[in-house]
Amino acid sequence: AQSVTQLDSHVSVSEGTPVLLRCNYSSSYSPSLFWYVQHPNKGLQLLLKYTSAATLVKGINGFEAEFKKSETSFHLTKPSAHMSDAAEYFCVVREPGAQKLVFGQGTRLTINP
Amino acid sequence: KAGVTQTPRYLIKTRGQQVTLSCSPISGHRSVSWYQQTPGQGLQFLFEYFSETQRNKGNFPGRFSGRQFSNSRSEMNVSTLELGDSALYLCASSFPDQFSDGPYNEQFFGPGTRLTVL
Repeated sequence: AQSVTQLDSHVSVSEGTPVLLRCNYSSSYSPSLFWYVQHPNKGLQLLLKYTSAATLVKGINGFEAEFKKSETSFHLTKPSAHMSDAAEYFCVVREPGAQKLVFGQGTRLTINP
Repeated sequence: KAGVTQTPRYLIKTRGQQVTLSCSPISGHRSVSWYQQTPGQGLQFLFEYFSETQRNKGNFPGRFSGRQFSNSRSEMNVSTLELGDSALYLCASSFPDQFSDGPYNEQFFGPGTRLTVL
């Protein structure tokens, strides 16, 4: 079965400093991995996705993630945090051949002025 | 292009009642998936419908059911509500090609329906 583990439930950074949100996955297959963001009282928005085309994936709003098979990791990074980045972030794996998404528990990102 | 819409946005029900939630996918999308989000269990997959047929089902009791209409709109129903059913219910739609890892498999989420069971 596919699963993802987000290693931090809460991350707090200062505006203008780098962001690192960590995610490890477990999959018997070559996985399809995603990062979604959820702002308060909003739905989920796709930040980026990995589908085996390239190990370094660039997403929206300056976010990127690197797929490392040897470490079974898919960490999300951003060079410089902005106040608008404050939200809940979810690492997600998709079941192969299906539309079922398996979510991590989420990481709440707080940005300090 | 309009996004995924869900109605109603908020619902308050009492234990034992039943509830129906509605989801209208993005125009042209034929796959609709439902997810439950709670503070304790996080986001969990309920089921997915494609061309009016349920293709995948999560690990939820039979009180949770759904259907999809010929225009791809979907409804989910929860019967005999329990306090633990209080949650944000999210609907997501995607383009029909489920067996490709191309761009058509991205799921677009609606804003959700927040259900409170008293």
